[in-house]
Amino acid sequence: NAGVTQTPKFQVLKTGQSMTLQCAQDMNHEYMSWYRQDPGMGLRLIHYSVGAGITDQGEVPNGYNVSRSTTEDFPLRLLSAAPSQTSVYFCASSLTGNGYTFGSGTRLTVV
Amino acid sequence: AQSVAQPEDQVNVAEGNPLTVKCTYSVSGNPYLFWYVQYPNRGLQFLLKYITGDNLVKGSYGFEAEFNKSQTSFHLKKPSALVSDSALYFCAVRPGDTGRRALTFGSGTRLQVQP
Repeated sequence: NAGVTQTPKFQVLKTGQSMTLQCAQDMNHEYMSWYRQDPGMGLRLIHYSVGAGITDQGEVPNGYNVSRSTTEDFPLRLLSAAPSQTSVYFCASSLTGNGYTFGSGTRLTVV
Repeated sequence: AQSVAQPEDQVNVAEGNPLTVKCTYSVSGNPYLFWYVQYPNRGLQFLLKYITGDNLVKGSYGFEAEFNKSQTSFHLKKPSALVSDSALYFCAVRPGDTGRRALTFGSGTRLQVQP
């Protein structure tokens, strides 16, 4: 049982490049979320999913896309990276929404 | 929309003394409340939650939190702090019963326990 797995752990992008942050969970959780963590701002919700095929925008969705084709996977796509997207990204999952398990994070730097 | 306030960026306490990390919230309807801890370069670890029932909730590592509906607060407490408790603590809320089940987090409070 691996929990929530995020890849890569570190990434450096040039402005304008695109990439996908991967998130997979093996707990059959329906609820999955993507957050970004910035100093002094806590964690802010980017996108959210309540099950395969269903996604919703969070607090800071601009510049990010998601899809949920399977229960296990919830990738986050950066369409055209900007320095403002430099952050630590966390994926989380939950069976009922009453407690989330977090991945170990992806540290992204956009230069 | 819901929100969480953690008014202290940092809390300093001596080892062996009691600690309190403050949290107030705003949400429609009944709140579901959570505390998470983050150690350096790690993800968030669940400490405890309040869904319903007893206002005093006990969690991992000797932590507890008290739900106060009239003050819309959910302060984290521990009777005797350890140096190993030094970390970043986050309070989170979501609307209970109905509504989106994603969590809204506070800005975090850094706890520093001095030997």
